[in-house]
Amino acid sequence: AQSVTQPDIHITVSEGASLELRCNYSYGATPYLFWYVQSPGQGLQLLLKYFSGDTLVQGIKGFEAEFKRSQSSFNLRKPSVHWSDAAEYFCAVGALGTGTASKLTFGTGTRLQVTL
Amino acid sequence: GAGVSQSPSNKVTEKGKDVELRCDPISGHTALYWYRQSLGQGLEFLIYFQGNSAPDKSGLPSDRFSAERTGGSVSTLTIQRTQQEDSAVYLCASSLGLAGRASYEQYFGPGTRLTVT
Repeated sequence: AQSVTQPDIHITVSEGASLELRCNYSYGATPYLFWYVQSPGQGLQLLLKYFSGDTLVQGIKGFEAEFKRSQSSFNLRKPSVHWSDAAEYFCAVGALGTGTASKLTFGTGTRLQVTL
Repeated sequence: GAGVSQSPSNKVTEKGKDVELRCDPISGHTALYWYRQSLGQGLEFLIYFQGNSAPDKSGLPSDRFSAERTGGSVSTLTIQRTQQEDSAVYLCASSLGLAGRASYEQYFGPGTRLTVT
């Protein structure tokens, strides 16, 4: 069974500083990997996704993530954090379910706090 | 267009009561998912529906939980005889449900926060 580990429960960065959120996965085949963001009281919004090809993927809001198969990682990065980026971030791995749809396995999330 | 909507946004119920949570997926999305998000936990898959196929119920934690999807659109998650450990945010998501990558792009609703007292 697939699993996702986000080792950092809580991270605080200063506005304008760079950010890296860690994600490690366990999956027997080639994973489909995702990062979602959840603002307080909101649902999850897809930031970016990796299926295949270029291992550096660009997402919305200036985020990017790099897939490293050798490290089973899919870390999320942003060069300069804005105060509005404060939220909870979830890494997820996709696995084929029955039929054509799929289930996502999520990590426990990393809460990002941004100080001014 | 409209996103995934869920109702109610908040629900407080007494232990032992039944509750129904509703999800309206994005129009045209044939796949619908329910997840549970407990405090300090990630999202736990509960159930999904794909078109007219039998639902995948493998994530339902007990037989007190059930869900149905009427007309291939709206879904209702029912929790019978609620327990305090059922307190969580219940999230619904939908996707196109097509074969391939599009089926992995799930769009989430704002969730229903359930509190069992």
